Amino acid sequence: DAKTTQPTSMDCAEGRAANLPCNHSTISGNEYVYWYRQIHSQGPQYIIHGLKNNETNEMASLIITEDRKSSTLILPHATLRDTAVYYCIVRATGNTGKLIFGQGTTLQVKP
Amino acid sequence: NAGVTQTPKFRVLKTGQSMTLLCAQDMNHEYMYWYRQDPGMGLRLIHYSVGEGTTAKGEVPDGYNVSRLKKQNFLLGLESAAPSQTSVYFCASSGGRGNEKLFFGSGTQLSVL
Repeated sequence: DAKTTQPTSMDCAEGRAANLPCNHSTISGNEYVYWYRQIHSQGPQYIIHGLKNNETNEMASLIITEDRKSSTLILPHATLRDTAVYYCIVRATGNTGKLIFGQGTTLQVKP
Repeated sequence: NAGVTQTPKFRVLKTGQSMTLLCAQDMNHEYMYWYRQDPGMGLRLIHYSVGEGTTAKGEVPDGYNVSRLKKQNFLLGLESAAPSQTSVYFCASSGGRGNEKLFFGSGTQLSVL
């Protein structure tokens, strides 16, 4: 599975959009980009995933560049409850489903 | 529908003691996983299972054993606990190929003295 690079930490003002970048320059054609978050040592929570098209759900939007070497997770109106560690994970669909977590980005939403 | 349930939530062991962590899921998921998370670190995969009766090693399997005798349960065993195994343990499950979103339990805080 391709390795990802994320900034260690980011700040965002409450009510503003939070844009979390992820680089995955060695991604293969069959590898998906997944985003999870972990709030205050709880179990990680699935946010969104995509292959090459942009995706949106009730939690966030995922923008994947045309060359698929990077992506951005967008939380459109960040709240204090969005303060968490955000993990970007790249993996191929397959018969194991396992995810390999990196260090993630600590997002601090400030009032 | 409880999702993924881990027991116990907290445990303190002495070096050399053994214990078993239980993970139960009620979503009829095929795949189950055990991760550990040390302070300030990301999650590391210990063992996983792609179906009843199957298990496989993850990134950090040494010192742990697992069993998946029933589809809904995935047990993680420590035969002789060591202080290096002090960590938070998370169990997760997913529906399998084509349905690979992971659902996590709330974690077990284990301290080995």
